[in-house]
Amino acid sequence: EVQLLESGGGLVQPGGSLRLSCAASGFTFSSYAMSWVRQAPGKGLEWVSGISESGDTTYYADSVKGRFTISRDNSRNTLYLQMSGLRAEDTAVYYCAKEEGDSSGVYYYNWFDPWGQGTLVSVSS
Amino acid sequence: IQLTQSPSSLSASVGDRVTFTCRASQGISSHLAWYQQKPGKAPKLLIYAASTLQSGVPSRFSGSGSGTDFTLTISSLQPEDFATYYCQHLNSYPPYTFGQGTKLEIK
Repeated sequence: EVQLLESGGGLVQPGGSLRLSCAASGFTFSSYAMSWVRQAPGKGLEWVSGISESGDTTYYADSVKGRFTISRDNSRNTLYLQMSGLRAEDTAVYYCAKEEGDSSGVYYYNWFDPWGQGTLVSVSS
Repeated sequence: IQLTQSPSSLSASVGDRVTFTCRASQGISSHLAWYQQKPGKAPKLLIYAASTLQSGVPSRFSGSGSGTDFTLTISSLQPEDFATYYCQHLNSYPPYTFGQGTKLEIK
């Protein structure tokens, strides 16, 4: 069974740092791109960051660029999100998600499946 | 690319047929996925490539559309379907955009 388990969330002061982890199991982790998605309390989903299978290509939403760093350790089957310069607006549940894809047709289609259960990050003084 | 979902909320009864709409700010071919999210839970994939039903998802769910206009239809609502539904645009590489969601409530 494919499983993603996030950890590392908690309460942090504005300007502080936190590192989230996402432990993957049940699939060949190094063969899949991964992403982080967050959801502020009572709000919708926001894609935050993504990383290629090997980890050599990373992507960020404008809202976190320069403050967050995504990385992965394929030997440990673990995805990370290093967050610094945290702001109140970064308060959210953070989910990791496995990116699946289908290139059998003319076009390449991709989607997120599954998602982890999420870890809550609260930024407050 | 921005995704606009409508309505933002919808009240319906068990057995009803409901349709959600997702509109893209520019053409995205069929690069769209739909997710269901229940309170306190992670999103669950329903549909990918605009109309392909994910394995294990009940056949009462269906997706259609291409270009800028997409729909998710539930043919006969069941009690477990009351949730919030999100569309997402994914292309070969990020950024990946979500719609703002449609909350489906019991009438």
